[in-house]
Amino acid sequence: NAGVTQTPKFRILKIGQSMTLQCTQDMNHNYMYWYRQDPGMGLKLIYYSVGAGITDKGEVPNGYNVSRSTTEDFPLRLELAAPSQTSVYFCASSYEPRGGELFFGEGSRLTVL
Amino acid sequence: LAKTTQPISMDSYEGQEVNITCSHNNIATNDYITWYQQFPSQGPRFIIQGYKTKVTNEVASLFIPADRKSSTLSLPRVSLSDTAVYYCLVVRGSARQLTFGSGTQLTVLP
Repeated sequence: NAGVTQTPKFRILKIGQSMTLQCTQDMNHNYMYWYRQDPGMGLKLIYYSVGAGITDKGEVPNGYNVSRSTTEDFPLRLELAAPSQTSVYFCASSYEPRGGELFFGEGSRLTVL
Repeated sequence: LAKTTQPISMDSYEGQEVNITCSHNNIATNDYITWYQQFPSQGPRFIIQGYKTKVTNEVASLFIPADRKSSTLSLPRVSLSDTAVYYCLVVRGSARQLTFGSGTQLTVLP
């Protein structure tokens, strides 16, 4: 199993551009999450999904959108990129968060200039 | 969501036992306590999870007192490679959000 795969690993955007961060998991997990981590800080939850077709906002959803058309994929869309969105983005998945563990991808480092 | 409080940083020396305590005063009956480890430029990695008393695995032990308002992650005989940020999470049984606090930066010195 590849686990949780994120692409791209690095990206530089100009202010106002848009892009999609891809996240795919091959563990048949229902729960998927997007976090951002600013330098020296903890992780902030952006959006999460409890299954295909179901998404919900986390702590810091403004400026982002998600979709969950399949169990495997949970892309994160950045619209009108701003310097404040410069961060490392982590995707994670879980079979059952209450009794199990989160599996994280390697992260996507985004810089907005 | 249950709020957690951890020390910002801790230092230790190789070979010592390290105990990191997390406070979670508003923990609910169905909540679980979970700890993660994060190295620089990597995603967090699950260490251990527990509900009450003591849980032990091959890398750590988790101590939870009867009132469950705090928990202590114990790392036996740490090495330099244990230098990382450690996060305590309270996983609410009825909720789907998993939020991380600020974590504890553990630095192991030679």
